[in-house]
Amino acid sequence: ETGVTQSPTHLIKTRGQQVTLRCSSQSGHNTVSWYQQALGQGPQFIFQYYREEENGRGNFPPRFSGLQFPNYSSELNVNALELDDSALYLCASSAKPGLAGGGEQYFGPGTRLTVT
Amino acid sequence: RKEVEQDPGPFNVPEGATVAFNCTYSNSASQSFFWYRQDCRKEPKLLMSVYSSGNEDGRFTAQLNRASQYISLLIRDSKLSDSATYLCVVRSGGFKTIFGAGTRLFVKA
Repeated sequence: ETGVTQSPTHLIKTRGQQVTLRCSSQSGHNTVSWYQQALGQGPQFIFQYYREEENGRGNFPPRFSGLQFPNYSSELNVNALELDDSALYLCASSAKPGLAGGGEQYFGPGTRLTVT
Repeated sequence: RKEVEQDPGPFNVPEGATVAFNCTYSNSASQSFFWYRQDCRKEPKLLMSVYSSGNEDGRFTAQLNRASQYISLLIRDSKLSDSATYLCVVRSGGFKTIFGAGTRLFVKA
């Protein structure tokens, strides 16, 4: 196991609601990245956090936001949920941002979000 | 054109077969390359990093061709447990990590 944990494992929300997903990074890792994986697709990069600041962002609207805490755990918040937000949300931790240390990322088990 | 493209498969092979997956990427400035495997309804797991000189880990061999902008993964002596989706991953710059859509492999007895 990678040591990356996520909660909750499953979640059902209604369109228009807000959701918060949580991730604890692997020991010794200070960088967390969030991904959205729709059925049959590869994970899509949402954003990355390093030392409590957003370090980069993919093509996701501002209603997707995040936080990183001093212990390097992280939250993903999604406001005004839409049906298309239904997906597996993955977080990945790494030892350093960018390409340092080989850039290997280790994933948590994911949170499966269903928006009805 | 997608930034990272993979043949979606599925590849159906018998146990013991050799199978190869290719992946092409569009950004010539890409710097790091990886293969991940993902089992059904599970998280992706790092299989191997891909180095310019090529690298091997047991039955798995990864190659990188920067001139043609493609990456390959070769699996020898396929096992039933190799059945999964194989994801090609390309990183260009500090944080931009692009996953391919994945290639599904079914290994049958």
